[in-house]
Amino acid sequence: AQSVTQLDSQVPVFEEAPVELRCNYSSSVSVYLFWYVQYPNQGLQLLLKYLSGSTLVESINGFEAEFNKSQTSFHLRKPSVHISDTAEYFCAVSETGGFKTIFGAGTRLFVKA
Amino acid sequence: DVKVTQSSRYLVKRTGEKVFLECVQDMDHENMFWYRQDPGLGLRLIYFSYDVKMKEKGDIPEGYSVSREKKERFSLILESASTNQTSMYLCASSGGVRNTGELFFGEGSRLTVL
Repeated sequence: AQSVTQLDSQVPVFEEAPVELRCNYSSSVSVYLFWYVQYPNQGLQLLLKYLSGSTLVESINGFEAEFNKSQTSFHLRKPSVHISDTAEYFCAVSETGGFKTIFGAGTRLFVKA
Repeated sequence: DVKVTQSSRYLVKRTGEKVFLECVQDMDHENMFWYRQDPGLGLRLIYFSYDVKMKEKGDIPEGYSVSREKKERFSLILESASTNQTSMYLCASSGGVRNTGELFFGEGSRLTVL
């Protein structure tokens, strides 16, 4: 069975500081990995995904995540955050070719001025 | 823009009432999902469907049922609402020729059961 662990439930950070949101997963089969973001009172939207190939993936708004197979991790990073990055971030895993996606419990990122 | 639309953003119901949550997608996706979101628990899968008239139980199906009569529409039904079903409900879809499991979500339906 798959599982996803997000190691921090809340991360407060000052504007323009770097941030890392941690995600570890377990699975006995090969997986696709995702980060979704949820802004207040909205549904989730895809931030970035790892399917295959380069282990470093980037989003259009400056986030990046690195797939580390040996450590079964997919941590999300941004070198300089903005107030507008305040949101909840969900790490997720799906089996390649499968239907179901398993989500972590979420990490609330608070960016302070 | 591709879209998943949930019929109600906010609902307030009484214990014992029957509740229908509707979801429509315009991407011709085969797969549709209903999740429940609660603080500290992330998203938990209630039911999913991979084809018209097909349904599969997710991780927490008790107290819920679903209906998929048309490819674009997936309904979640609470036969007799209870206070512990107060939650945010999220509909999602996935599919296409190169399905990677990427999910497209609706805006969510926040249900309060009194």
